[in-house]
Amino acid sequence: GEDVEQSLFLSVREGDSSVINCTYTDSSSTYLYWYKQEPGAGLQLLTYIFSNMDMKQDQRLTVLLNKKDKHLSLRIADTQTGDSAIYFCAETLPGFGNEKLTFGTGTRLTIIP
Amino acid sequence: DVKVTQSSRYLVKRTGEKVFLECVQDMDHENMFWYRQDPGLGLRLIYFSYDVKMKEKGDIPEGYSVSREKKERFSLILESASTNQTSMYLCASGLFGIQYFGAGTRLSVL
Repeated sequence: GEDVEQSLFLSVREGDSSVINCTYTDSSSTYLYWYKQEPGAGLQLLTYIFSNMDMKQDQRLTVLLNKKDKHLSLRIADTQTGDSAIYFCAETLPGFGNEKLTFGTGTRLTIIP
Repeated sequence: DVKVTQSSRYLVKRTGEKVFLECVQDMDHENMFWYRQDPGLGLRLIYFSYDVKMKEKGDIPEGYSVSREKKERFSLILESASTNQTSMYLCASGLFGIQYFGAGTRLSVL
């Protein structure tokens, strides 16, 4: 079955790097995603990685994928107060209905000034 | 700019009422989704639709139904609202995991 797990909370000092972790159980995942939810808003896509890649970098964001351990991480360099949000990892599976996303529980990132 | 609009930000309803949550997208997407978001549980898929008049059950469809009469509009219906349906409801549209979300409707059932 599908299960995506994350820690619920993370606190980081402003200027440090944040690392948000996620584990998933279905090895047939095709794409893995990171979404961000700011207070009072819906989710917005931050980045995604195809399952045959092991790293993707986009400005301050680095995604690492360890397929053997089914572990995904999102690193945010030089964390700013505007990065305070809930971060969700999500996966899609192959086949019909692969438009469906299975989300993790979300990690609330708090920035300490 | 991409837009998914949910008709209400906040709703308060009484137990047993019929509740309609409306969602409109302007991106001509075929796929639309309804989720509920609860603390510690993340987002759970209620229903999705991949075409007009088509619908598929998600992970938690009990107590809900949906309607998609036009491509841009996807409605979530609570036939008889109950207190355990108090939650944040999020609508999305998109393709292959890239989904665009509305701002959400916070529903309280008293």
